Amino acid sequence: DIQMTQSPSSLSASVGDRVTIACRASQGISNYLAWYQQKPGKVPELLIYGASTLQSGVPSRFSGSGSGTHFTLTISSLQPEDVATYYCQKYDSAPHTFGQGTKLEIK
Amino acid sequence: QVQLVVSGGGVVQPGRSLSLSCAVSGFTFSSYGMHWVRQAPGKGLEWVALISYDGGSEDYADYVKGRFTISRDNSKDTLYLQMNSLRAEDTAVYYCARRYCSGGGCYPDYWGQGTLVTVSS
Repeated sequence: DIQMTQSPSSLSASVGDRVTIACRASQGISNYLAWYQQKPGKVPELLIYGASTLQSGVPSRFSGSGSGTHFTLTISSLQPEDVATYYCQKYDSAPHTFGQGTKLEIK
Repeated sequence: QVQLVVSGGGVVQPGRSLSLSCAVSGFTFSSYGMHWVRQAPGKGLEWVALISYDGGSEDYADYVKGRFTISRDNSKDTLYLQMNSLRAEDTAVYYCARRYCSGGGCYPDYWGQGTLVTVSS
């Protein structure tokens, strides 16, 4: 099975900073990758699908890139409401594995 | 609006069974595949199972294969997860999620609120 590895596991940054989270697949998955945001005590919400397409209603400071085995989620200017754990997920075929998550905090 | 309401969680002894339900509204249930995803307390998201729009195909994670069964009743707009031979490591919040297909492939978009399953003696 394909493994999904996120880095870093946790991250602390200041408001206004540019933040990048990486996700690596152990084998190529084309662009069948989604990113989710889960705020504390809340349900995960879809941010990006197709590796780079922003879900409707998601702020434009979020962006995604990559294809094959290496992907990134970028927040161009970190806001206080972005405190959350972020997950990548492959959806090319079963099993639809998630990365282990990246916990983002404000410095 | 799209709504997914999960129910059926609770405390169950190891080796016993439990069934979860996910009742949906706000979209044509019979047109969408559906996922179950779980999250152990303080841990990350873990994919569990997927069923096609018509129930004709199912996929499972290795750690639940042979113990869990995903099913659906399109006449009742309801998704199910039958969990047998439960183990302590199955303790988690269980979410259902709609499988949405676009030019970017097919991925979970809307998620239910989740229900906590605790496996303990």
